[in-house]
Amino acid sequence: NAGVTQTPKFQVLKTGQSMTLQCAQDMNHEYMSWYRQDPGMGLRLIHYSVGAGITDQGEVPNGYNVSRSTTEDFPLRLLSAAPSQTSVYFCASSYRTVDMNTEAFFGQGTRLTVV
Amino acid sequence: GESVGLHLPTLSVQEGDNSIINCAYSNSASDYFIWYKQESGKGPQFIIDIRSNMDKRQGQRVTVLLNKTVKHLSLQIAATQPGDSAVYFCAENMIYNQGGKLIFGQGTELSVKP
Repeated sequence: NAGVTQTPKFQVLKTGQSMTLQCAQDMNHEYMSWYRQDPGMGLRLIHYSVGAGITDQGEVPNGYNVSRSTTEDFPLRLLSAAPSQTSVYFCASSYRTVDMNTEAFFGQGTRLTVV
Repeated sequence: GESVGLHLPTLSVQEGDNSIINCAYSNSASDYFIWYKQESGKGPQFIIDIRSNMDKRQGQRVTVLLNKTVKHLSLQIAATQPGDSAVYFCAENMIYNQGGKLIFGQGTELSVKP
């Protein structure tokens, strides 16, 4: 059972390049989210999904796109990378228990540098 | 706007002592709170959670206290060990709203001195 898997672990982009950060979970969780973490700060929500085909914006969505075609995968696309997008990106998945709690499981992160 | 914040950005304790990490939240509609531990280079790991219908919840060596009157949350770690050194985040959510929308605090770095 791999949990939440993110690829790549490290990436360097030039300003203006595009790329996709991959996230996959094998726990059949309905909810998936993307967060970014900047130095000395907590995680900020970029986009989230409550199920296949359904996505919505979080706190800091500008410059990022997402899609959720399957339950397992939730890729994050940077359309035109900017230095301000240098950060560590975390993908998370979560579920509803019988009493509606939503504990989230996180991937190991993707460290992105935009030069 | 909605936010979750911490009183102390850093905390240094002696091995064996108890640690208390605090968190203030501003959204009175939040009814589910989670503490995460993040070690260097890793993703956050779930420690313990609490719902707003509870004041206290205990786990193994950890206790979370919730004071809804002043919108304050704390994490107590008993007999702190070197392996507890990490950054600790509180996060809030609303149980009956859509999942996947955690709002995180800034984080407190816990350093345990041997």
